[in-house]
Amino acid sequence: RKEVEQDPGPFNVPEGATVAFNCTYSNSASQSFFWYRQDCRKEPKLLMSVYSSGNEDGRFTAQLNRASQYISLLIRDSKLSDSATYLCVVNIGGGNKLVFGAGTILRVKS
Amino acid sequence: EPEVTQTPSHQVTQMGQEVILRCVPISNHLYFYWYRQILGQKVEFLVSFYNNEISEKSEIFDDQFSVERPDGSNFTLKIRSTKLEDSAMYFCASWDGGSAGPQHFGDGTRLSIL
Repeated sequence: RKEVEQDPGPFNVPEGATVAFNCTYSNSASQSFFWYRQDCRKEPKLLMSVYSSGNEDGRFTAQLNRASQYISLLIRDSKLSDSATYLCVVNIGGGNKLVFGAGTILRVKS
Repeated sequence: EPEVTQTPSHQVTQMGQEVILRCVPISNHLYFYWYRQILGQKVEFLVSFYNNEISEKSEIFDDQFSVERPDGSNFTLKIRSTKLEDSAMYFCASWDGGSAGPQHFGDGTRLSIL
């Protein structure tokens, strides 16, 4: 089983749509969780951390279910600029080693 | 906002040659990392570095790889004898050591081995 598993997509959505991405992780000792965004051939950029209580940042909402080892990201009112690959990332261990999912491609079209 | 910087942005090297990739982490950060991403694949952890020593390394990080913090600001990755399969984007990252904190990534060095 992959350490972090994501649906690769692509998700093709119109502007203004709501889209949700899911992610599962295999290591129950994982300590912290993030969504990063990666544009083509660029570095991963932190989108948001994911907390057990769920958290929201503008149009973005992240949820964590530790019992099911499941993380989600909801994007509301999609913009063209949201087009990117969304990386589910899990921290394993005290040294903060990050394990990346393969990413979910989002394409927002006008 | 402080950022991680990497040089060069693109390095082209003949197979078998040594290459050094350079990074300047964020100044008050304590933990430093190298990751790589082969074209079309996921980002993979290579090595973490704390208190002037390697704290963890992956299977990819074999004897051909080494890291160093030669002074108070730079963090380098050396590949001793490059192979074709070392061609990838190499990302440096740093972390301030705070609980549950995210890592900040540099914009990467594209390494092309000919």
